[in-house]
Amino acid sequence: KNQVEQSPQSLIILEGKNCTLQCNYTVSPFSNLRWYKQDTGRGPVSLTIMTFSENTKSNGRYTATLDADTKQSSLHITASQLSDSASYICVVSAYNNDMRFGAGTRLTVKP
Amino acid sequence: EAGVAQSPRYKIIEKRQSVAFWCNPISGHATLYWYQQILGQGPKLLIQFQNNGVVDDSQLPKDRFSAERLKGVDSTLKIQPAKLEDSAVYLCASSSRLGDGYTFGSGTRLTVV
Repeated sequence: KNQVEQSPQSLIILEGKNCTLQCNYTVSPFSNLRWYKQDTGRGPVSLTIMTFSENTKSNGRYTATLDADTKQSSLHITASQLSDSASYICVVSAYNNDMRFGAGTRLTVKP
Repeated sequence: EAGVAQSPRYKIIEKRQSVAFWCNPISGHATLYWYQQILGQGPKLLIQFQNNGVVDDSQLPKDRFSAERLKGVDSTLKIQPAKLEDSAVYLCASSSRLGDGYTFGSGTRLTVV
């Protein structure tokens, strides 16, 4: 069964600190993995997209990693800012266009 | 480029009433999706269009939900009659082709009382 699990469910950190969010998946055959940021009351916005051959991809202070062998991905946020407070959703697509969403990690950055 | 437009942003209705949501995708995007996102959960696909044809509506509760994209551009999602458990954010997304990264609208927050 194709599934995407994210951890932790929620996270609170202080401004300026780093954090790492996890995504484990069983989607097969794997096509790509995306991380989205969803601010409260807004639609998700794409941060990164990675295919099977990509191990890491950065977008500013966001760095995503992918281990296709262990079917794990992480999203690392460096020097967090208050505006990073949001839900971060991992989405994994199979080659048959079956797309699976994780439940998201709710990040709160406090001053 | 203009993003995915959705309206209304918020809607409050009583159970058993009807409601309709509208979505205008990014110009030229052939693929359009409707998602339901219940508070604290990830989005769940309701229906996927390719131009004006339905690609996947396996998770659409067809006894009460319907969607159309008659001219292959904008789309409407209707709920009739609404239930309390339909309270959620309804997100529309579009992409230039199947499987491509896509852009979400801001969503419509529905509250059924």
